[in-house]
This record gives sequence, structure tokens and C-alpha cells, in this order.
Amino acid sequence: EVQLVESGGGLVQPGGSLRLSCAASGFTFSSFEVNWVRQAPGKGLEWVSFISTSGSTMYYADSVKGRFTISRDNAKSSLYLQMNSLRAEDTAVYYCARLSYCDSGFCRYFDLWGRGTLVSVSS
Amino acid sequence: DIEMTQSPSSLSASVGDRVTITCRASQSIRGYLNWYQHKPGKAPKLLIFAASSLQSGVPSRFSGSGSGTDFTLTISSLQPEDFATYYCQQTYTTVSITFGQGTRLEIK
Repeated sequence: EVQLVESGGGLVQPGGSLRLSCAASGFTFSSFEVNWVRQAPGKGLEWVSFISTSGSTMYYADSVKGRFTISRDNAKSSLYLQMNSLRAEDTAVYYCARLSYCDSGFCRYFDLWGRGTLVSVSS
Repeated sequence: DIEMTQSPSSLSASVGDRVTITCRASQSIRGYLNWYQHKPGKAPKLLIFAASSLQSGVPSRFSGSGSGTDFTLTISSLQPEDFATYYCQQTYTTVSITFGQGTRLEIK
């Protein structure tokens, strides 16, 4: 089955760290760029980070830049998000999402999502 | 960053109604506009990509249009399973992908 499954969420104190994982199966993970997206309680979807197929290119939302690090292990078909210096406003469900391209190459979209893992930052 | 503004933020409608949601980008994004449906506790679901292309398996009552800065999502005849929150998303640049704030579609 083609799927993404997130794990690693939990309760952490402000200033603490957490590492999220996303396990891919059913497709060639190394061929796809992937992203993290989050949804805070009562809020909308917020893109967090992007990583290229090789892992050499990463982009971050301004809200997490310098605190979060995205990485991947293609041999393990896994995506990661290292979250440091966590704040209350980082409390959210975190999703991993696969980026696919149109045949023409002139469009791209998130066609596969996981069900998310909840991160709660509170003392 | 490219800002995406959706309207309305919430909408009440009845089964069988025709519904339109709009999304405006702060600059031209050509056709790099996607629509998602999100239900509580579930993964977001891709409905429309490239502004007007229907994702495989999505019912034909969903349609999208627009280019440049102005886009619409239309549901031609609402079904009970369509009550959810809908988001537009621009992927014009992967350096900073952005979503609209969402439109919550509720049963009247």
C-alpha cells in the first residue's frame, strides 16, 4: 500500500527538542521531494519545510527557520524533522506530504499525505 | 512570500447546493494552484491540481478554474460527505509554499 506514516510526536516542554519521523512505503521514496506541513489547534494548514530528492536542498518557513532541520534517509525510505527550541506556538499536528509533478513539469502538488502526529509544547 | 486569500472563511449550505470558493494570490502564480479537502482526524486530500485538473478518483462534481491571481473551486451539487474544510495552495515556488486560510463548509 502506498502510504506515509508519521511518528515521534508527544508532549515536550518549551525550549525542548523532538524528532519526528515519516516512514514511506509502496513507492520509490528516493524519487520524490517531500515536505512537512502542520496544523495548530483551530488553525489552518501551514507549510513547514521542503527537502529535495537527494537531501541537498532544504527550505523552511520563516516561523521555524534556524530551529527545525529537515533530513531524509533514502535507504530507509524515511523523512525526519528535528525540532529544537520548541515554543508553545509549535503545538500542532505535523504531516508529511509527498510532492508530485505534472507530466509537463509546469505544476506540482501534494498528492500523498500521512495522518499526522501531534506535538504539544507545554510546561 | 506569496499570500493566498480565500473567501469566504466559512459557508453554510445544503445538500444539493452549488458552492463556490475563491482564492486570490498576492502575485501571479500562473497555474500553480491546488485545492485540498480536510476532515478532522484525517489526512488532507488533493482534489484539484494545476488550477483545473481533477485528481484521479475525485468526483466530477468538483471543478476548478482560474489562472494568474484569481482561482475558484466549485462543487456543483453538495453531498453529505463534502462537508469539510477546503484549502487552496500555491506551489509556484517550493522555496515558500503557502496555503489559504481555509474555508469551512458546514451543513445548513
